[in-house]
Amino acid sequence: AQSVTQPDIHITVSEGASLELRCNYSYGATPYLFWYVQSPGQGLQLLLKYFSGDTLVQGIKGFEAEFKRSQSSFNLRKPSVHWSDAAEYFCAVGAKAAGNKLTFGGGTRVLVKP
Amino acid sequence: EAGVTQFPSHSVIEKGQTVTLRCDPISGHDNLYWYRRVMGKEIKFLLHFVKESKQDESGMPNNRFLAERTGGTYSTLKVQPAELEDSGVYFCASSQDRGFYEQYFGPGTRLTVT
Repeated sequence: AQSVTQPDIHITVSEGASLELRCNYSYGATPYLFWYVQSPGQGLQLLLKYFSGDTLVQGIKGFEAEFKRSQSSFNLRKPSVHWSDAAEYFCAVGAKAAGNKLTFGGGTRVLVKP
Repeated sequence: EAGVTQFPSHSVIEKGQTVTLRCDPISGHDNLYWYRRVMGKEIKFLLHFVKESKQDESGMPNNRFLAERTGGTYSTLKVQPAELEDSGVYFCASSQDRGFYEQYFGPGTRLTVT
């Protein structure tokens, strides 16, 4: 069965500082990996996805993520955080063999200090 | 292009009552998914429609939940009778019909059962 772990429940970062959110997954084959963001009062928005190929993936809003098979990780990074990045971030894994349903991590809430 | 819409955005009902949630997917998306996030927990898969057929309903918690997608367009999720533990945010998502495409999420319906 698929599983996703986001070890950090909350992260506080200063505006302009770098951000890294951790995600570890468990799945037998190569999964499809996603990062979603939920801003206050909004739905889930897809930031980026990894299906295959280049293991460094660029997304929207200046985010990137790196797939590391050896570590079963798909960490999300942003070099310089803006106040508007305050939100909850979810890592998710999917697979055709699992019927395309997504398995989510518990989420990481990011607070941005001025 | 309109995104995934959900109605209502909030619903407060008493234990034992019935509630029906509605989801309108992106036009042309054959795949429709329901997910739920209860307080403090991760987002969990409920079920998956392909057009009007239930492809996977392994995540439905019990028989108090009934999902339909008549005509392969919008979907409804009925909870009858509602229990306190049904409180949470119900998300709907849709995706295209070939391969594994990213799922586009609606804003969610926050259900509170008192």
